[in-house]
Amino acid sequence: GAVVSQHPSRVICKSGTSVKIECRSLDFQATTMFWYRQFPKQSLMLMATSNEGSKATYEQGVEKDKFLINHASLTLSTLTVTSAHPEDSSFYICSARDEGGPKADTQYFGPGTRLTVL
Amino acid sequence: GESVGLHLPTLSVQEGDNSIINCAYSNSASDYFIWYKQESGKGPQFIIDIRSNMDKRQGQRVTVLLNKTVKHLSLQIAATQPGDSAVYFCAENDGGSNYKLTFGKGTLLTVNP
Repeated sequence: GAVVSQHPSRVICKSGTSVKIECRSLDFQATTMFWYRQFPKQSLMLMATSNEGSKATYEQGVEKDKFLINHASLTLSTLTVTSAHPEDSSFYICSARDEGGPKADTQYFGPGTRLTVL
Repeated sequence: GESVGLHLPTLSVQEGDNSIINCAYSNSASDYFIWYKQESGKGPQFIIDIRSNMDKRQGQRVTVLLNKTVKHLSLQIAATQPGDSAVYFCAENDGGSNYKLTFGKGTLLTVNP
């Protein structure tokens, strides 16, 4: 149980283009999902909290107009990196809480998406 | 302790030995703690959790110890195997309604056969 998937697993794009990453909870519903970014040999940094049916809550320093989040259903959140630049290259990871499960506080993570911007 | 910057703390052990990975947390209001294992190129995988009303919790081959007095968390892995090689992160939740987690800097565990 509590499986989270991400698509794509890796993407390479040209500078200036936009990239959409999907995060799905496969066997549970999640009103709240989280988006993280991880640079090499560093920890996970929370970018934003995605709330189903409402606006995302962004962490300090994260540009909401650059990292667009849409949580349109109880099993899907998307992160769109707009006008991507090489410095946006990173490992993007989503997580979700299984609010109806035995560990409602626990975040379960997707496999991550490796973004490379040329 | 945990390092600052790009250098992960590392722990190297022999296969079959016990491993102890430490984590210091900063928020005295945190009431829920989780250990995650992250293999290279993958997302973090839940290992074990503990709430602040406990000081020890055991799982299969793993034990988490919580010392709230000094804000310290540890993960003990018994009979460490090569498949345990990964980066281990502790994460804390301050009990807020948003359920946000704050991650530690991680420790790279290498198990030598």
